[in-house]
Amino acid sequence: DSGVTQTPKHLITATGQRVTLRCSPRSGDLSVYWYQQSLDQGLQFLIQYYNGEERAKGNILERFSAQQFPDLHSELNLSSLELGDSALYFCASSPLAGDNNEQFFGPGTRLTVL
Amino acid sequence: GENVEQHPSTLSVQEGDSAVIKCTYSDSASNYFPWYKQELGKRPQLIIDIRSNVGEKKDQRIAVTLNKTAKHFSLHITETQPEDSAVYFCAASKGTGGFKTIFGAGTRLFVKA
Repeated sequence: DSGVTQTPKHLITATGQRVTLRCSPRSGDLSVYWYQQSLDQGLQFLIQYYNGEERAKGNILERFSAQQFPDLHSELNLSSLELGDSALYFCASSPLAGDNNEQFFGPGTRLTVL
Repeated sequence: GENVEQHPSTLSVQEGDSAVIKCTYSDSASNYFPWYKQELGKRPQLIIDIRSNVGEKKDQRIAVTLNKTAKHFSLHITETQPEDSAVYFCAASKGTGGFKTIFGAGTRLFVKA
């Protein structure tokens, strides 16, 4: 157990819908990262927050947005969902702003868009 | 843009043999190179990492080597065991300013008993 929690574990929804994925970092970690992993694919970095502020952006679609709250938990919002958005979404946390330290991954949320 | 290439995509070895996975990176400013192991249906977990001021690091059966000139780093697993079977990801990052970590596409390692 990495100490990072993600909810829900599984999510099934329809095209065009909007969902929110939630992540709680390890106690004391200020950075949260979001990744998308499609079937048998690698980890695609989406976005990083540090202490409530957006820190780095990857290949995140405009239909996706995220935020980090004062209690440091983070939410990833996916809207106008398409079939291709079906994937495993991981969040990870680390203590510092720079990502040159170990990232601790949560168990992931499996999103299925029908 | 920044890129990390990882080879091979699939690797099958006999139990007890060694396995080597290679990665190359494009951004010469990268200074941190972690390796993550992801078992089927599980989260990625760090198994070893190396920083740019070191050429080699070893932890029991696992070692990583870094060649900064060639922008190349490798994971070596000796005396492989069936529980080493997983997908392994290399990554490269610059660290400062919250620059993003770039992951390789992954190597699926099968260790045959």
